[in-house]
Amino acid sequence: TAGITQAPTSQILAAGRSMTLRCTQDMRHNAMYWYRQDLGLGLRLIHYSNTAGTTGKGEVPDGYSVSRANTDDFPLTLASAVPSQTSVYFCASSDRVQGGQSAQYFGPGTRLTVL
Amino acid sequence: GQSLEQPSEVTAVEGAIVQMNCTYQTSGFYGLSWYQQHDGGAPTFLSYNALDGLEETGRFSSFLSRSDSYGYLLLQELQMKDSASYFCAVVAAGNKLTFGGGTRVLVKP
Repeated sequence: TAGITQAPTSQILAAGRSMTLRCTQDMRHNAMYWYRQDLGLGLRLIHYSNTAGTTGKGEVPDGYSVSRANTDDFPLTLASAVPSQTSVYFCASSDRVQGGQSAQYFGPGTRLTVL
Repeated sequence: GQSLEQPSEVTAVEGAIVQMNCTYQTSGFYGLSWYQQHDGGAPTFLSYNALDGLEETGRFSSFLSRSDSYGYLLLQELQMKDSASYFCAVVAAGNKLTFGGGTRVLVKP
């Protein structure tokens, strides 16, 4: 079982360009999440999806958009990248959001540099 | 909103015990989770406390006091492979996590 895969592994992007970070899970989890982690800091939630067809804003959503067309995929799009979006991006999933906490499982991350 | 505080770094020797504290301020709280992250790697789930008290899983124990807005992670019989960053995270409605800044643990021989 692959768990969660992310692509690309790393990317250098010119400011003003758009980019989509891909995330796919094979665990049939209902919920998925996108976080960013800046150097030496904790993770911050960008967007989340409790189930296919629904999305919500996290702590730092500005400049990012997401979609959840099916259970397995949760792409993150930067419409017009800026240098402050340089970070490591982690996708995560969990199998429930109701009735208590469920461990989140993280992908390997995408290292994005915006110049 | 949420805010969490963790010490930035702890150094200990192999075989020792290390405790990492976490204090939080929150407007919505279901519980406190702990995640481990090795350099260059992804966070991995360690433990979750919804109620006051101690939860033990092997060499790892996690404690929560809701009245004090305080928790800690205890690592016993430290091993070199335990060198990593450890993050506490407040769990809010919808299983959304707010992470602290993390404690970097350095284990020395």
